[in-house]
Amino acid sequence: EAGVVQSPRYKIIEKKQPVAFWCNPISGHNTLYWYLQNLGQGPELLIRYENEEAVDDSQLPKDRFSAERLKGVDSTLKIQPAELGDSAVYLCASRQSSGAGSQYFGPGTRLTVL
Amino acid sequence: AQSVTQLDSQVPVFEEAPVELRCNYSSSVSVYLFWYVQYPNQGLQLLLKYLSGSTLVKGINGFEAEFNKSQTSFHLRKPSVHISDTAEYFCAVSVGSNFGNEKLTFGTGTRLTIIP
Repeated sequence: EAGVVQSPRYKIIEKKQPVAFWCNPISGHNTLYWYLQNLGQGPELLIRYENEEAVDDSQLPKDRFSAERLKGVDSTLKIQPAELGDSAVYLCASRQSSGAGSQYFGPGTRLTVL
Repeated sequence: AQSVTQLDSQVPVFEEAPVELRCNYSSSVSVYLFWYVQYPNQGLQLLLKYLSGSTLVKGINGFEAEFNKSQTSFHLRKPSVHISDTAEYFCAVSVGSNFGNEKLTFGTGTRLTIIP
């Protein structure tokens, strides 16, 4: 079974530029998460989707961050414009919506803003 | 709101020695507890979880953890570590329905370094 796929793995951009990250969850996983992981810190939730609906986006900085999951499968996280402080690893995770299924994480996208 | 404290940011251990990584949580309601491992340049992988029942939980790679409600702790242990255990370890807590898997709050992590 394929795991959570994320691309790109690494991205270097200049500040004020836009950037987008893509996530393909495990097949059959209706719940999808985007996390932000700063260096030396644990992941922090940005947004959680149940199918195509964002059910928890309270931690998403909506002035510059946006996310979508149009067909309830793949998801894209965008930053526009990027700031120096956005340099971090962006993790995607997915899980089955029901039962005791755990969250499965992708390898992350490491963003460097210059 | 719940929170997690990992008391040690770095733990060096000699190969084949035992190790304990400490985790304390705070919550006003019943919690579910998790340990994840993150190898360099990889995502997080679930080591073990406590949902209910026996307070001693066994996970993958020979790790185990014990839930102690009175001390609000969920320390991770392994009796004999290997070089391949070098990684970052994260404790996480969750509350709510669906076995608490909906929303995790992570600690800041403990970097375990195995010394040959």
